[in-house]
Amino acid sequence: GAGVSQSPRYKVAKRGQDVALRCDPISGHVSLFWYQQALGQGPEFLTYFQNEAQLDKSGLPSDRFFAERPEGSVSTLKIQRTQQEDSAVYLCASSLAGGSSNQPQHFGDGTRLSIL
Amino acid sequence: SQKIEQNSEALNIQEGKTATLTCNYTNYSPAYLQWYRQDPGRGPVFLLLIRENEKEKRKERLKVTFDTTLKQSLFHITASQPADSATYLCALDGNSGYSTLTFGKGTMLLVSP
Repeated sequence: GAGVSQSPRYKVAKRGQDVALRCDPISGHVSLFWYQQALGQGPEFLTYFQNEAQLDKSGLPSDRFFAERPEGSVSTLKIQRTQQEDSAVYLCASSLAGGSSNQPQHFGDGTRLSIL
Repeated sequence: SQKIEQNSEALNIQEGKTATLTCNYTNYSPAYLQWYRQDPGRGPVFLLLIRENEKEKRKERLKVTFDTTLKQSLFHITASQPADSATYLCALDGNSGYSTLTFGKGTMLLVSP
């Protein structure tokens, strides 16, 4: 597809369950970002990949959060032992180049995660 | 700590008027600043990027200014239309050495016919 694709669009899980969220970036995009967006807030940075390398994971809120991008394209964000405070929209974005170049990020429409 | 402030209250204007949204920041020295539009249930969409050495940037009905002395960016939409109603997010480079962004909370714009 032409844009960033995220699946599922909605995910409901019980507290304590593990979830996996998928992101298909724009083909050829080197950089991939994950953000968490709470209701009424702006996106909060979670982690950054340049190709398959996870160069920045400073935004991950706890060791229950894990992200990977093994082949430098599709990425998965995994949350283990989910808690109610994990309920949010998880956004994925990609950009063409890596490093510190100034460029726009292209966002998917997110996965809305609800923890019961 | 670094902080980005956008008007938390919605901005209501009449169609045809110019909308002006404000982004203020503290404890930052951003090399560039970006503006995004976000519609309900959708991801943010990139609008404009302005660099620290640029005072102003235009794209069709959009104009962004960047004042590094005041630590402020203004985002203008001229001849506003109801279709411009959305939340507008300001984002600054995260100073991490990578292309990470730090977003403000956004300001909701409502344009009434």
